Amino acid sequence: QSALTQPASVSGSPGQSITISCIGTSSDVGSYNLVSWYQQHPGKAPKLMIYEGTKRPSGVSNRFSGSKSGNTASLTISGLQAEDEADYYCCSSAGSGTWVFGGGTKLTVL
Amino acid sequence: QLQLQESGPGLVKPSETLSLTCTVSGGSISSARYYWGFIRQPPGKGLEWIGNMYYSGYTHYNPSLKSRVTISVETSKNQFSLKLSSVTAADTAVYYCASLRDNFFDYWGQGILVTVSS
Repeated sequence: QSALTQPASVSGSPGQSITISCIGTSSDVGSYNLVSWYQQHPGKAPKLMIYEGTKRPSGVSNRFSGSKSGNTASLTISGLQAEDEADYYCCSSAGSGTWVFGGGTKLTVL
Repeated sequence: QLQLQESGPGLVKPSETLSLTCTVSGGSISSARYYWGFIRQPPGKGLEWIGNMYYSGYTHYNPSLKSRVTISVETSKNQFSLKLSSVTAADTAVYYCASLRDNFFDYWGQGILVTVSS
């Protein structure tokens, strides 16, 4: 069970859109439509932003969206705002009741 | 709305057992809707899933930690616990407890830093 692969960092200017990729395998991301995404500000607990690949919890801005193609899941943030600057983690089912996280991506809003 | 709170020692000696408790409020740990789990984050690093359990005692563990991990539930106290044996400096991390609803972790504790050092 290896960690999912995410870019270490991405950046964008306010108002722009960015996409964070999450590359897995046919044993995790590719097999299940069960990818979730979490936002983590420094010193804080992670917060659920996207679940089951594309769904947004109540209260999460519709600027956040998720998608999946094959073994790769993606998180897109449109209309970047300063408050979006944070670390983002993907998570996928790896089968048999187990879960695997990505290594995390630091988003910088320029 | 669920609230989760971790508690336990912040310092553990190498080779000893790390023990943490998570207290759940705002809902019952016996709810059929949830698994209960632990996730950790070494300083400056990413998240690592440790394991989950159902209130009935059914558990799933990270294969890389399975030989050292036990998660148990105390339904009368609305708590669940983590034990990690034979710890080393590599186990130094912020440990989070979280609720796993269906297929996502929706509520998290604030986290507790556990340092392994003599």
